[in-house]
Amino acid sequence: DQQVKQNSPSLSVQEGRISILNCDYTNSMFDYFLWYKKYPAEGPTFLISISSIKDKNEDGRFTVFLNKSAKHLSLHIVPSQPGDSAVYFCAASRVSNYQLIWGAGTKLIIKP
Amino acid sequence: DGGITQSPKYLFRKEGQNVTLSCEQNLNHDAMYWYRQDPGQGLRLIYYSQIVNDFQKGDIAEGYSVSREKKESFPLTVTSAQKNPTAFYLCASKPDYNTDTQYFGPGTRLTVL
Repeated sequence: DQQVKQNSPSLSVQEGRISILNCDYTNSMFDYFLWYKKYPAEGPTFLISISSIKDKNEDGRFTVFLNKSAKHLSLHIVPSQPGDSAVYFCAASRVSNYQLIWGAGTKLIIKP
Repeated sequence: DGGITQSPKYLFRKEGQNVTLSCEQNLNHDAMYWYRQDPGQGLRLIYYSQIVNDFQKGDIAEGYSVSREKKESFPLTVTSAQKNPTAFYLCASKPDYNTDTQYFGPGTRLTVL
């Protein structure tokens, strides 16, 4: 049972344009959502997060949007840069146990 | 410089052998985690520890064992009972149990020959 889904295995975006990565979840008990970025053969690094009491959180070029009614969140990167090429993981957490449930990841490729 | 270290980076093992992966952190974090990553899949939780001398099974604990004798160390043993051990193993930590953000080490690639 995949509780967190990233339906796009890969995404290709032109440098300078906006990248939009999507994540859907099924469990309404999730109350905190995180995005991580991962380069090959390295550990994931924390990027940005959002609490379920908010619908938007922004940090520089990165913005996460949460639509609770649709159980959907998205990560916007603008403008996209070559260093953004990586795999992006969405993760969700429940306040009851603080365990992270992970999506399968989306590989973002920024084209020059 | 605080962080999480995992060693070795690459590990080769013959079938039927046990192998131990190291994870050390100097962040003074209470909680530590072991995940496994396979191609095209999200991270799957193997074991976690909320505090020294305590650990719990995650979703895929069969064939693995851990110990938490020191706050800074959380080694993972991949036993011969693990049917498909070839994977990328990631260790993570966080300050305490009731925070969300986890911080990861660089990972260990285990290959069974």
